[in-house]
Order: sequence, then structure tokens, then C-alpha cells
Amino acid sequence: AQSVTQPDIHITVSEGASLELRCNYSYGATPYLFWYVQSPGQGLQLLLKYFSGDTLVQGIKGFEAEFKRSQSSFNLRKPSVHWSDAAEYFCAVGASPSGGYQKVTFGTGTKLQVIP
Amino acid sequence: DGGITQSPKYLFRKEGQNVTLSCEQNLNHDAMYWYRQDPGQGLRLIYYSQIVNDFQKGDIAEGYSVSREKKESFPLTVTSAQKNPTAFYLCASNPGQGVFFGNQPQHFGDGTRLSIL
Repeated sequence: AQSVTQPDIHITVSEGASLELRCNYSYGATPYLFWYVQSPGQGLQLLLKYFSGDTLVQGIKGFEAEFKRSQSSFNLRKPSVHWSDAAEYFCAVGASPSGGYQKVTFGTGTKLQVIP
Repeated sequence: DGGITQSPKYLFRKEGQNVTLSCEQNLNHDAMYWYRQDPGQGLRLIYYSQIVNDFQKGDIAEGYSVSREKKESFPLTVTSAQKNPTAFYLCASNPGQGVFFGNQPQHFGDGTRLSIL
């Protein structure tokens, strides 16, 4: 069974500073990987996804993520954080096809606080 | 604009009462999902539906029920058997076309927060 670990429950960065949110997954084959963002009291919005190909994936709002198979990681990065980036971020992994529904497993989330 | 509408935004349940959360989508998606979100636990799958008149249990289906009579609608009932219903409930959908639909990005509604009176 697949699993996702987001080791940082809470991260605080200064506005304008760079950001990296960590995500480690466990799955035997090539995973399907996602990053979602959630503002308080709202649903999740897709930031970016990785299915195959180029391991550096560009997303919306200036975010990018890099798939590293050797480290089983899919870390999210942003070169310069804006105050509006304060939210909770979820990494998710979908299993490769084995017939029927392919379960998507979400991490427990990382809350990002941005200070002026 | 297409999207997912969840209602109500806030809901209160009395002891022994069943309550129903609404989820409607106009994205023409085949697959729909219900998740429960608790602080520090991420999202846990309650039920999902791949097509009209068909649905499957997720990881935490006990105490919940669903129906899928129309493509656009996937209501969730929290029954009195669910002893700890206080949570944020999220409905999601994706196109669901083909075998690998679980790997397609999901579109989410804005959630319903359920509390016990």
C-alpha cells in the first residue's frame, strides 16, 4: 500500500524568502504525485502534478516540484513567498493501475505561515 | 463557471439524528468522492462513485451512507451510527474516464463543517 509523509507540520517563512515543503512517498512502482493547497475553510486546489517525463514540474502560482526517485521525494518549492501563500499544503500519491479504482493517499499536510 | 457546490457550509447534528450533506457538480465528471478531514490527519476517503447508481466504500465508511442517482449529485448521509461526526467534509470529482481515473487530479468543493449540538 502506498503512503505519504509530510514531515513538517508547520513552517514559518518571511515574505520574499524561498520555500521548500517536503514530501516523501512509499510505493513500489512509479507513482502519480500531486500537490494541493487549502486556504482556511475552503476546499483543496491543485497546484501541480507529476505523472511521467520531466522530473521538474511547474505549477500554478509560481510553484514547482521535483520528483526524485532515488530519494522517494516530491518536494514543493517557490523562490519567493508572498503573504497570500499562507495556507495548508497537501502532498498526495496515486497508485499505478491495477484494475478498478486507484486510491489516492493524502499526506497530513504542512501549514505555511508567512511573516512580513 | 463549472465547479462543485457543497451545502450547507455549516451543519449541526443532534444526538441520534441523521444529517445529509449535499454535493452537486456541473463539470460533467463521472467520478465523485467524499472525504473527511480532521486536524492533523489529512484527508480520509469515505465513499467514492465511479458512475451513476454505483458507489464503493472507502477507508472509513462506517456510519455513513451515500447515493448516486444522478451524475451531478452525490449526497452523503452521516447516520447516528457515526459516533464522532465532528469534522470538515469535502466532496471532490474528476473525469473518471478509463481505468486509471483515480490518478486524475480531483476538483474539490469548499466543504461542509459538521458539529455536534
